[in-house]
Amino acid sequence: EAGVVQSPRYKIIEKKQPVAFWCNPISGHNTLYWYLQNLGQGPELLIRYENEEAVDDSQLPKDRFSAERLKGVDSTLKIQPAELGDSAVYLCASSLDHTSYEQYFGPGTRLTVT
Amino acid sequence: GEDVEQSLFLSVREGDSSVINCTYTDSSSTYLYWYKQEPGAGLQLLTYIFSNMDMKQDQRLTVLLNKKDKHLSLRIADTQTGDSAIYFCAVYDNNDMRFGAGTRLTVKP
Repeated sequence: EAGVVQSPRYKIIEKKQPVAFWCNPISGHNTLYWYLQNLGQGPELLIRYENEEAVDDSQLPKDRFSAERLKGVDSTLKIQPAELGDSAVYLCASSLDHTSYEQYFGPGTRLTVT
Repeated sequence: GEDVEQSLFLSVREGDSSVINCTYTDSSSTYLYWYKQEPGAGLQLLTYIFSNMDMKQDQRLTVLLNKKDKHLSLRIADTQTGDSAIYFCAVYDNNDMRFGAGTRLTVKP
């Protein structure tokens, strides 16, 4: 069974440029999470989707970050414009549904903003 | 919010046991996890324990939970060089998962 797929794995952009990350969860998983992992830290939740609905986006900086999961399967996280402080690893995870306590993580996208 | 604390580094000799410790603040946490992260990779779920348990063993891994002290530990028996990684403690309650900063385990031959 394929795990959570993310692309790209690495991205280097200049500040003020836009960037987008893509995630495909494990087949059949209805709940999808985007996490931010700063260097030397644990992941922090940005947004959680139940199917196509964003049910928890309280930690998403909405002035520059946006996310979508239009058909309730794969998801895109966008930053526009990127700032130097956005350099981090962006992790996607999925679980069967919101009652499931097992989250499975993708390999992440390492973003470097110069 | 929940605070999850871990020591940052642990170094052991190959073949020894490793014990990674974690403390948390929210007594209503229902599930507690250990994840492993190797360089350049995402987080791999190693094991978890329900809050109504005090111990869980899975092959070389033993999880101990002391609810009174809000203390979780992961013991790795016969530690191997392939166990070198960062280990994250995480606690879950009501759709909210909180992670510690991770413990970097180094296994010396």
